[in-house]
Amino acid sequence: KAGVTQTPRYLIKTRGQQVTLSCSPISGHRSVSWYQQTPGQGLQFLFEYFSETQRNKGNFPGRFSGRQFSNSRSEMNVSTLELGDSALYLCASKGGAGTENNSPLHFGNGTRLTVT
Amino acid sequence: KNQVEQSPQSLIILEGKNCTLQCNYTVSPFSNLRWYKQDTGRGPVSLTIMTFSENTKSNGRYTATLDADTKQSSLHITASQLSDSASYICVVSANNFNKFYFGSGTKLNVKP
Repeated sequence: KAGVTQTPRYLIKTRGQQVTLSCSPISGHRSVSWYQQTPGQGLQFLFEYFSETQRNKGNFPGRFSGRQFSNSRSEMNVSTLELGDSALYLCASKGGAGTENNSPLHFGNGTRLTVT
Repeated sequence: KNQVEQSPQSLIILEGKNCTLQCNYTVSPFSNLRWYKQDTGRGPVSLTIMTFSENTKSNGRYTATLDADTKQSSLHITASQLSDSASYICVVSANNFNKFYFGSGTKLNVKP
């Protein structure tokens, strides 16, 4: 079974630009969540999608948005990039039929975004 | 405020030695606690998941303990190997709205 796939693996953007990151979950997983990881802040939750609906949202500005498609693939968009947005962006998928909390998160290897 | 704190921040041990990593949390209402291992440049990989009623769970040389009364967990690594060098992240899940709270991780370096 293929794992969680994130593309691209590396990305360099300029301040003020926008970026779209992609995540393909494990087949059959309907929950996809996104995280920002920086050396200073650790892993921070951005948002979670389940069956194309945003189910949870972290404390990030509106510049960070996402969506999920009918095949469970998800995209994350960051507009008006700032230097502080440089980070490793991880996505994770989770199995289960609904709100089961005990299913493990399966992470992709992330997209390393550098904003210059 | 829901928080997860890990200690130590970093740790250096010799190959073959044991070590214990700590995780304290204030997340409520508690659902479960997970330990993840993250190799450099890779995504985290699940080691263990423990619910309120579980005190100990093992995964090979990794043994996690949970004391729900004191809201503390530990991850014990036995007979460390060079491949154990990684960051170990404690994640606590809250019952409400399926939210996750992350510790900042312990960076373990196993030296030959």
